[in-house]
Amino acid sequence: DTGVSQDPRHKITKRGQNVTFRCDPISEHNRLYWYRQTLGQGPEFLTYFQNEAQLEKSRLLSDRFSAERPKGSFSTLEIQRTEQGDSAMYLCASSPEFGQGPFQETQYFGPGTRLLVL
Amino acid sequence: AQTVTQSQPEMSVQEAETVTLSCTYDTSESDYYLFWYKQPPSRQMILVIRQEAYKQQNATENRFSVNFQKAAKSFSLKISDSQLGDAAMYFCAYRSVIQGAQKLVFGQGTRLTINP
Repeated sequence: DTGVSQDPRHKITKRGQNVTFRCDPISEHNRLYWYRQTLGQGPEFLTYFQNEAQLEKSRLLSDRFSAERPKGSFSTLEIQRTEQGDSAMYLCASSPEFGQGPFQETQYFGPGTRLLVL
Repeated sequence: AQTVTQSQPEMSVQEAETVTLSCTYDTSESDYYLFWYKQPPSRQMILVIRQEAYKQQNATENRFSVNFQKAAKSFSLKISDSQLGDAAMYFCAYRSVIQGAQKLVFGQGTRLTINP
């Protein structure tokens, strides 16, 4: 079990540029989540996948944001035309599906991607 | 919509002492999960302890225990014998049991400092 991994760990970009982040969940987990955390705040939910299906999206996920999980394994989060307000830590988490043991309700987090938009 | 409130932005405790972090939440659901996560500086968030609302017994994990008061919608975390490695941001989180409602709702966090 290698845990949830995210790439890159840090990203600096200029306003208006597009950025893409990758998340690799724990291998046997088929649920994957994206959260955004601004400095000094708790994480806020962005979106959730079960396998390749995107089942829930927050109102925080504007049209400039898109997330995919094409084969039900890794996921990508793309932000188009970045704005300074997009500067935050983007966290990915994964969890097992219902029925896969006592930890099915527990989400395991990756180290995050810290985005700075100049 | 559910909300989670942590009213203590910062707490400090002497090494080896006991500290309690507060968390309250608001929900109309009768069954749900509650969690405490720890986020050390520049490191990833890790689960400290979790509680199923249908269980009356308070969860414990080594030096960590909770005081779950369902009627009061309170879920505090007690850390006994505090260690320097306990210094971190602590987040309380809520999760519904409703199928499809998988997201965690987090509080604002409490920054815990351990004084040697």
